Order: sequence, then C-alpha cells, then structure tokens
Amino acid sequence: EAGVVQSPRYKIIEKKQPVAFWCNPISGHNTLYWYLQNLGQGPELLIRYENEEAVDDSQLPKDRFSAERLKGVDSTLKIQPAELGDSAVYLCASSPQPAYEQYFGPGTRLTVT
Amino acid sequence: GENVEQHPSTLSVQEGDSAVIKCTYSDSASNYFPWYKQELGKRPQLIIDIRSNVGEKKDQRIAVTLNKTAKHFSLHITETQPEDSAVYFCAASINDYKLSFGAGTTVTVRA
Repeated sequence: EAGVVQSPRYKIIEKKQPVAFWCNPISGHNTLYWYLQNLGQGPELLIRYENEEAVDDSQLPKDRFSAERLKGVDSTLKIQPAELGDSAVYLCASSPQPAYEQYFGPGTRLTVT
Repeated sequence: GENVEQHPSTLSVQEGDSAVIKCTYSDSASNYFPWYKQELGKRPQLIIDIRSNVGEKKDQRIAVTLNKTAKHFSLHITETQPEDSAVYFCAASINDYKLSFGAGTTVTVRA
C-alpha cells in the first residue's frame, strides 16, 4: 500500500511570508496527525483529526497556524506569517483508528530566513 | 502532560554488540509505549511497541521491557548491524493516540 504522502519535501521562505504543507494519508485511515520536529528532538503533536473534525488542537499556535481537512482525507497545514523559529520538519501521520500504529510521512523541511 | 526522558542521547557500539536505550515517563496512567526508528532524512518507523499489561516483548533482534512501578521502559538491540545505525525515539501515551516522544538516541554501529 502507498504510504503517507507529503509535499513539498523542502521549502525555503523569508520570514513573514505564508507557507502551506499538504498531506495525503494512507487510504482508509480516518485519523490524521500533524507533528512538529525540531532538530535533535522528538516529534511534538500539533493537531489530530478524526475524519474532518479536529479533536485535539491544544498544541497548535492558533495565532499563526491553521489546519484543515475538509473532506476527511487530505489535510493542509498553514503558517501565516512564518517566523524564524518555525524552521523545523513538519510531519504528517495517519492511523486507521486512534489506538492503532501511526504511520509517518517523510516530512516537509521548512527553512525560514 | 506526559514527560518522557530518554538516555543516552548518543550511543556508539561495535558491530555484533548489544545496544540498550532507556526511557522514563512521568504519568503513571500511560499505557502504550512505542519505539520508532528514524534514519537520516527519512520518516520515523515503528519498530516495536508494548502495552502496560505486558512486561516484555521481543521481535527477532529487538526487545522492549517495561517496568510500570519504576515508570521506565527500555529498548534492547542484540547482535547490532550497520543498518541499525539511526535515531531511535521512545514514546508514551495515556490514551493510545497522543504520543509524547523522547528526545531521541543516535545509535552508531561501528564496523
């Protein structure tokens, strides 16, 4: 089966610019996660979706970050405006149900200059 | 929230030797403990996991042990091979979906 797909793989932007990341989960996976991974650290959960509903967004910095999963399949994570401290890898993961193994995508490496 | 500490941060072993990585967690309600392997520039991949009703689990050369009383769990890799070189992350979860990750251990297997 195809794995979790993310695009772009790399993105370089100037601070204050907007940026968006796209994720296509494994077919049939209802649960989708966005994680932030700083260099030398483990992933940190930003938001979790069950189908199209964001059921846990407590870690999402809502002043500049937003996410959507309109049809319960693909998801987009947006940052506007980006700050230097947002440079990191943004990982998407999916699972068939909340209590099952999470499958990660390859991530998008964001560099803000 | 849950706090997971992982040690050591780096580990260098001779090929064929064993590697052990240890993690501690703070919330006694945590009941799911997966281990992920992340090779350079690649996605994290689950290599083994354990639930709180089990004390030990083994899969070929890797094993995980859990001590609920002490709130720590460990990853054991035996007969290490060059392809075992990677960053390993432990994680803990109270409710199966919200994973709290450790900071990672960079394992280098010397040929």
